[in-house]
Amino acid sequence: EPEVTQTPSHQVTQMGQEVILRCVPISNHLYFYWYRQILGQKVEFLVSFYNNEISEKSEIFDDQFSVERPDGSNFTLKIRSTKLEDSAMYFCASSERTAYTEAFFGQGTRLTVV
Amino acid sequence: DQQVKQNSPSLSVQEGRISILNCDYTNSMFDYFLWYKKYPAEGPTFLISISSIKDKNEDGRFTVFLNKSAKHLSLHIVPSQPGDSAVYFCAASGYSGGGADGLTFGKGTHLIIQP
Repeated sequence: EPEVTQTPSHQVTQMGQEVILRCVPISNHLYFYWYRQILGQKVEFLVSFYNNEISEKSEIFDDQFSVERPDGSNFTLKIRSTKLEDSAMYFCASSERTAYTEAFFGQGTRLTVV
Repeated sequence: DQQVKQNSPSLSVQEGRISILNCDYTNSMFDYFLWYKKYPAEGPTFLISISSIKDKNEDGRFTVFLNKSAKHLSLHIVPSQPGDSAVYFCAASGYSGGGADGLTFGKGTHLIIQP
């Protein structure tokens, strides 16, 4: 069964450093998403991406965040200068069409900023 | 501002009985609702969805009911099985004219199935 894969599973970084979280969405999917879940809180939408550009972003997705689809298979989330409060599980998801169809989630990357 | 609310952080149900998980929403623009299941150290897994033009959708042991006037939906699992023990997230989306919309999630309900 096709699945969304994310690497690494756990990333520890120092405050102020840049991190890149990587995702390989399901191959025939056209919509890609990043979500995060801070420990003990709900899953929060960060950004959606379609046709090689950002389709929608939340208030959380400020200038320190960026997304890219550098080739035909990878989808990355970059955090330029990490802060302690960026520590969270980051989930990548993809869907065939819009959010009117189910999104398939990866297993997540646990980001720890120290 | 919680647009999607799951007021029960946890729910304990005996194996074989019915599990009912509830979700309320405040945004009247939401018109598509989904339930996801999440095990520890895994991403959310899609379970079942319902469009606002329907009031019920059934898939095997899982049924989702939508009451638009009350802005309430519920997920029924019958019969409940030990493997159903997980955190269940209610999620909603609504077309804002901008294309792909992100899902708005509730905080989740931890369902525990007792043997």
